[in-house]
Amino acid sequence: RKEVEQDPGPFNVPEGATVAFNCTYSNSASQSFFWYRQDCRKEPKLLMSVYSSGNEDGRFTAQLNRASQYISLLIRDSKLSDSATYLCVVNTRGGSQGNLIFGKGTKLSVKP
Amino acid sequence: NAGVTQTPKFQVLKTGQSMTLQCAQDMNHEYMSWYRQDPGMGLRLIHYSVGAGITDQGEVPNGYNVSRSTTEDFPLRLLSAAPSQTSVYFCASSSLAGGLEQYFGPGTRLTVL
Repeated sequence: RKEVEQDPGPFNVPEGATVAFNCTYSNSASQSFFWYRQDCRKEPKLLMSVYSSGNEDGRFTAQLNRASQYISLLIRDSKLSDSATYLCVVNTRGGSQGNLIFGKGTKLSVKP
Repeated sequence: NAGVTQTPKFQVLKTGQSMTLQCAQDMNHEYMSWYRQDPGMGLRLIHYSVGAGITDQGEVPNGYNVSRSTTEDFPLRLLSAAPSQTSVYFCASSSLAGGLEQYFGPGTRLTVL
């Protein structure tokens, strides 16, 4: 099993749709989790951290399921500007050890 | 604040040449790292540093050297460029207190002929 796995997509959805991405991780000792967004030929940018209790930021909701070892990202009311690749990131060591593992990303395309 | 800056933005090398990719941050972050991103491979960690004078290897360190003489700068050196090192290179920094939420530079697109 790969350390961090994501469905590469693409997910093609109409404007206004709700879309969800999952990401699984193999190391049960993983400490922290993130979702990043990457636009074509640009650097990744932090979208949100994922907390054990789940967290929401506007139209975006992230959840962590430690028992099943996956994190999810839900986007409500999709906008054209949400079109990007979404990267799941897991810190498998914690603290200052810095072993961040990036998933290969899920591509989202929002159509008018 | 400029955040994380990288130079150059584009570079073409011949096999066997050496060069240094520059990375600087002005956020006083302790943690800095270098990644390469290849199609279908995602981002892979090359080297990282948790503070001045401290560096460690990531997933794909072969062919690369780093040093961290100051908090701000973290250059990546290609010792003898090979076509397999053709990639997009991203530098990132974060505060150790921030759970390693990474801030990325704009990237360097390197082609090795």
